[in-house]
Amino acid sequence: DQQVKQNSPSLSVQEGRISILNCDYTNSMFDYFLWYKKYPAEGPTFLISISSIKDKNEDGRFTVFLNKSAKHLSLHIVPSQPGDSAVYFCAASDNAGGTSYGKLTFGQGTILTVHP
Amino acid sequence: ETGVTQTPRHLVMGMTNKKSLKCEQHLGHNAMYWYKQSAKKPLELMFVYNFKEQTENNSVPSRFSPECPNSSHLFLHLHTLQPEDSALYLCASSQVGGTYGYTFGSGTRLTVV
Repeated sequence: DQQVKQNSPSLSVQEGRISILNCDYTNSMFDYFLWYKKYPAEGPTFLISISSIKDKNEDGRFTVFLNKSAKHLSLHIVPSQPGDSAVYFCAASDNAGGTSYGKLTFGQGTILTVHP
Repeated sequence: ETGVTQTPRHLVMGMTNKKSLKCEQHLGHNAMYWYKQSAKKPLELMFVYNFKEQTENNSVPSRFSPECPNSSHLFLHLHTLQPEDSALYLCASSQVGGTYGYTFGSGTRLTVV
């Protein structure tokens, strides 16, 4: 039972355009969501997060949107740059109390390719 | 050294070998994790250590044996592995009660022959 799903294995975008990466989840107890970015031969690095009490969080070119009723979140990258080409993982946590270790459940990742 | 360091970066081992993966974090975090990444699959949580105590074993076969001697070091001891255990093994750390961002190491690419 995969609780976090990224249904698009890959996405190809032209430089300067918007990249939209999608993620769906099934566990209604998830209350914190994160996006990680991974380059080849490196570990994933934290990109942006959102709490379930919000529906949008923005950080520079990156914006994450959360639709709780649809159990769906998306990552928007505007404008996309060739250096954004990487694997993007969506992750979710159900330990929002702040007293736990915040175990993360990951999706399978989406390979983003931004063409010059 | 800063962040999370994993050694070795690459490992090829036979099914009868015994080897160990090492992870060290220099961030003062108090929780450490082992994840497995197989091709086209999600990152799979294997083990969680919280203040050096194992708090989760995600139904991992006994041929994988974790060890956490202190909050900064985490090992994964491997013995009699199968070819399907070939994967990228990632270590991560986080701060209990802090934000939920993990810091990952670069991983060990394991090939079982």
